Amino acid sequence: QLQLQESGPGLVKPSETLSLTCTVSGGSINSRSYYWGWIRQPPGKGLEWIGTIDYTGSRYYNPSLRSRVTISVDTSKNQFSLKLSSVTAADTAVYFCARRWELRGYLDYWGQGTLVTVSS
Amino acid sequence: QSVLTQPPSVSAAPGQKVTISCSGSSSNIGNNYVSWYQQLPGTAPKLLIYDNNNRPSGIPDRFSGSKSGTSATLGITGLQTGDEADYYCETWDSSLSAGVFGGGTKLTVL
Repeated sequence: QLQLQESGPGLVKPSETLSLTCTVSGGSINSRSYYWGWIRQPPGKGLEWIGTIDYTGSRYYNPSLRSRVTISVDTSKNQFSLKLSSVTAADTAVYFCARRWELRGYLDYWGQGTLVTVSS
Repeated sequence: QSVLTQPPSVSAAPGQKVTISCSGSSSNIGNNYVSWYQQLPGTAPKLLIYDNNNRPSGIPDRFSGSKSGTSATLGITGLQTGDEADYYCETWDSSLSAGVFGGGTKLTVL
């Protein structure tokens, strides 16, 4: 059974860079059919798509976040990562990692999510 | 403001049927598959419907999906109190080259 687990600091200071890693177990990140992505959910609000990457490094980002987001993949560790720079309180959210079947497909496996709070 | 539009809330009595709409445009729903997710309080979203109208293994046939033009609909029959959750539609937007979610719909089973 595929499992995804987010990890990283739960508290980030304003103007700094948020960094999270998603570790994939029970399956390989090296698959032609899958993309690996990040989604976030501010407290009490809806889901926001952040971006996605495949094992070759081909990536797509939410236009509203593109200038601040970097998603990368480490196939040797079966992990992919999110970096969001110049964070503000508006970036406080639960961050989920998920597997996407094909670029125009669906999100079939999700991590449990991790809360990141931006505060000094 | 979400790219896909969903009603903020819907409600119905146990055993009844409810539908949740998701409206978009030709750059997203009109030319791409729609998926639906159920998010129970405090948990990660769970895939309910993929490719417009397909159910993953383990999802009961009380849940159904359809798409027409630039709109999609999630249907739930035989409502149970355990169905109380937030529901989200999602698709790819070819103009944005990005995934997009609806704003979410809170289902209350009265």
